[in-house]
Amino acid sequence: EPEVTQTPSHQVTQMGQEVILRCVPISNHLYFYWYRQILGQKVEFLVSFYNNEISEKSEIFDDQFSVERPDGSNFTLKIRSTKLEDSAMYFCASSVDRGLSGAFFGQGTRLTVV
Amino acid sequence: QQQVKQSPQSLIVQKGGISIINCAYENTAFDYFPWYQQFPGKGPALLIAIRPDVSEKKEGRFTISFNKSAKQFSLHIMDSQPGDSATYFCAATSGSSGSRLTFGEGTQLTVNP
Repeated sequence: EPEVTQTPSHQVTQMGQEVILRCVPISNHLYFYWYRQILGQKVEFLVSFYNNEISEKSEIFDDQFSVERPDGSNFTLKIRSTKLEDSAMYFCASSVDRGLSGAFFGQGTRLTVV
Repeated sequence: QQQVKQSPQSLIVQKGGISIINCAYENTAFDYFPWYQQFPGKGPALLIAIRPDVSEKKEGRFTISFNKSAKQFSLHIMDSQPGDSATYFCAATSGSSGSRLTFGEGTQLTVNP
């Protein structure tokens, strides 16, 4: 069964450092997303990406964040200068259409900023 | 108006019982309502979903009931099993919203043997 894969599973970084979280969406999907989940809280939308550009972003997705699809398979989230409050699980998701037939999530990357 | 309210926060059910989780929304533009199941340390997994043109959808032991006029929808898990113990999130999205999912706060379900 096709799945969304994310690497690494756990990343520890020092405050102020840049991190890149990587995702390989399901191959025939066209819409890509990043969500985050702070421990014990609900899943929050960060950004959606379609046709090589951001289609929507939340208020969380400020200038510290960027996304890129550097090749035909990878989808990355970059945090330029990490803050303690960026510590969370980051989930990549993909969908074949505008989410109206379900978005499929990866296993997540646990980011710990120390 | 973008919020989805979910209750209860936690639920304990005996094996074989019925688990019921409720959600309410405000945004009438929402037109797709999925439920996700999440086990500890894993990503949310799509469980079942419904569109507002039907009042009920059933897949195996899982049923979504949808009340468009009340802007509420619920997940029913029949014959609950210990393996169903997980966190359940309702969500909502619309084609006009850029397909972002708005999640509820989550319900931690424990099914006792």
